[in-house]
Amino acid sequence: AQTVTQSQPEMSVQEAETVTLSCTYDTSENNYYLFWYKQPPSRQMILVIRQEAYKQQNATENRFSVNFQKAAKSFSLKISDSQLGDTAMYFCAFMKGGYQKVTFGTGTKLQVIP
Amino acid sequence: KAGVTQTPRYLIKTRGQQVTLSCSPISGHRSVSWYQQTPGQGLQFLFEYFSETQRNKGNFPGRFSGRQFSNSRSEMNVSTLELGDSALYLCASSLEGPGANVLTFGAGSRLTVL
Repeated sequence: AQTVTQSQPEMSVQEAETVTLSCTYDTSENNYYLFWYKQPPSRQMILVIRQEAYKQQNATENRFSVNFQKAAKSFSLKISDSQLGDTAMYFCAFMKGGYQKVTFGTGTKLQVIP
Repeated sequence: KAGVTQTPRYLIKTRGQQVTLSCSPISGHRSVSWYQQTPGQGLQFLFEYFSETQRNKGNFPGRFSGRQFSNSRSEMNVSTLELGDSALYLCASSLEGPGANVLTFGAGSRLTVL
């Protein structure tokens, strides 16, 4: 079974600053995907970024980037130039290749301070 | 393109009753999965359907069931409701094949059991 661990229950960052959210996972699979999802107070879960395990290059999406360390089973999310709209719960998630089943971490509540 | 639509958005039931929640996936998405979100247990996978067949199932009692129709719409049912079933129920749909493995979530159905 896969596990996903987010060790930072809450974090805060000043607007325009950079913040990094941590995530570690445990799996014996070789084919898998990792995700960061964002859930603002409106509750709609939104995909932030996706990483295929077979790709060595770290994924980036505008102000969001990941540091994927496969050997260490680490998958952190960096948010640059933080904006007030980034305030949300952030969930790290794991999906085994070929299975539409996602294992989520417990989440990190991020507060962006004006 | 319409997103994932869940109905109803809010509902209140009493212990012992049953409830049915509905999910309409994004057009063209044939995989539909359900998740339960509670403050104590976080996000937990319930089940996933593809082409009207249940492909994956989480660790929930038999009171939780689901089905998928030929148009990919899905319903989940919870019978003999318990207080602990109070939760946000999230539905997600996804494509199959290359470039897939990304869940798009609906806004959720908030169930309160009194």
